[in-house]
Amino acid sequence: SQTIHQWPATLVQPVGSPLSLECTVEGTSNPNLYWYRQAAGRGLQLLFYSVGIGQISSEVPQNLSASRPQDRQFILSSKKLLLSDSGFYLCAWKGGRRSYNEQFFGPGTRLTVL
Amino acid sequence: EDKVVQSPLSLVVHEGDTVTLNCSYEVTNFRSLLWYKQEKKAPTFLFMLTSSGIEKKSGRLSSILDKKELFSILNITATQTGDSAIYLCAGFFSGGYNKLIFGAGTRLAVHP
Repeated sequence: SQTIHQWPATLVQPVGSPLSLECTVEGTSNPNLYWYRQAAGRGLQLLFYSVGIGQISSEVPQNLSASRPQDRQFILSSKKLLLSDSGFYLCAWKGGRRSYNEQFFGPGTRLTVL
Repeated sequence: EDKVVQSPLSLVVHEGDTVTLNCSYEVTNFRSLLWYKQEKKAPTFLFMLTSSGIEKKSGRLSSILDKKELFSILNITATQTGDSAIYLCAGFFSGGYNKLIFGAGTRLAVHP
């Protein structure tokens, strides 16, 4: 069966510090991978998605970046965090092109920038 | 611009009540609509609706899609405190690398 991992679970970082959040998926190959952010009391905002190694599409302009160095690894980064980067970050995966449309989410990382 | 709008944003009921959550959408090249339940952490998948008028059911939860009027409802009967969560609705459209567009969610609180 497929599982998705995210770490860390919780992170408190000062403004201006770098960020690296990691997401890995097990039990599937060639997944589509997604990074979402959820602000308090809000819906999910899609930040990045990837259909393959090294292929990243950005949905919104921001100071975050994403990379996919391996098939089942997706990393969200920032060189300098802003207060507005605080939120709940969720990684999700979906099977390849012919799979059903549902996405499955990891446990999330709660980021607080002070 | 593609968007998904959920209502109400927040709802408080007592155990045993029946609730109806609403989701309307404007999604180009619409393919399907998905419902998720989010408790403390990650959203968990509930339903995917592709065809109009066909109800999907899982225990006390059911959902239906109206592709003519561009909306879906999620019903929960005989609510329990464990139903307290944020319910998210998302529209899936083709041609966009399998992206989901999420609504803001409905926060449901079920009191004993």
